[in-house]
Amino acid sequence: SQQGEEDPQALSIQEGENATMNCSYKTSINNLQWYRQNSGRGLVHLILIRSNEREKHSGRLRVTLDTSKKSSSLLITASRAADTASYFCATVQAAGNKLTFGGGTRVLVKP
Amino acid sequence: ETGVTQTPRHLVMGMTNKKSLKCEQHLGHNAMYWYKQSAKKPLELMFVYNFKEQTENNSVPSRFSPECPNSSHLFLHLHTLQPEDSALYLCASSLDRVRAGANVLTFGAGSRLTVL
Repeated sequence: SQQGEEDPQALSIQEGENATMNCSYKTSINNLQWYRQNSGRGLVHLILIRSNEREKHSGRLRVTLDTSKKSSSLLITASRAADTASYFCATVQAAGNKLTFGGGTRVLVKP
Repeated sequence: ETGVTQTPRHLVMGMTNKKSLKCEQHLGHNAMYWYKQSAKKPLELMFVYNFKEQTENNSVPSRFSPECPNSSHLFLHLHTLQPEDSALYLCASSLDRVRAGANVLTFGAGSRLTVL
């Protein structure tokens, strides 16, 4: 099974609404990263949160990390049609520094 | 443009052909990666090179042969592929593979491979 698993697998919202997606993982991590992928393109790094951090912001993005629950969430506020993409969490394991991607959440923002 | 360039962007090949995918980065990164992304499957890490040395091979069939002549270039040589190998092949690079926090990945746009 995967180290990082996103929930939900797909999300459809109206422009202007907030989008929240979650990532759960199994083993201790050094850091957790979120990436975005537009259809048929490469992934783009969005934000990194270290294991000793609880919350991080970048523009309209807010990431939280709860190491006791082994989970993270990504919130996109005031969504735009251009935010339509797949979002992936990636965990960097504490042992071995291995980076593993989850299955992703497909987000559709309707204008 | 992310700084990681992949060519070709699209490739159609027969099962008996031999072709190569190329990846190039001039970000000063020392680690390079090949990933395979198939429809409805998670990203699969195929190979990792750190300072030109292969450090990971995730049980990839021998019909995929990587080559890393220097820290800036990575190739994936393809031969006698199967239709199920059709996928988006993504190259990525990072500062290095080992140091925690140094493996933030920069991806190329991918090479869409179709095997007939």
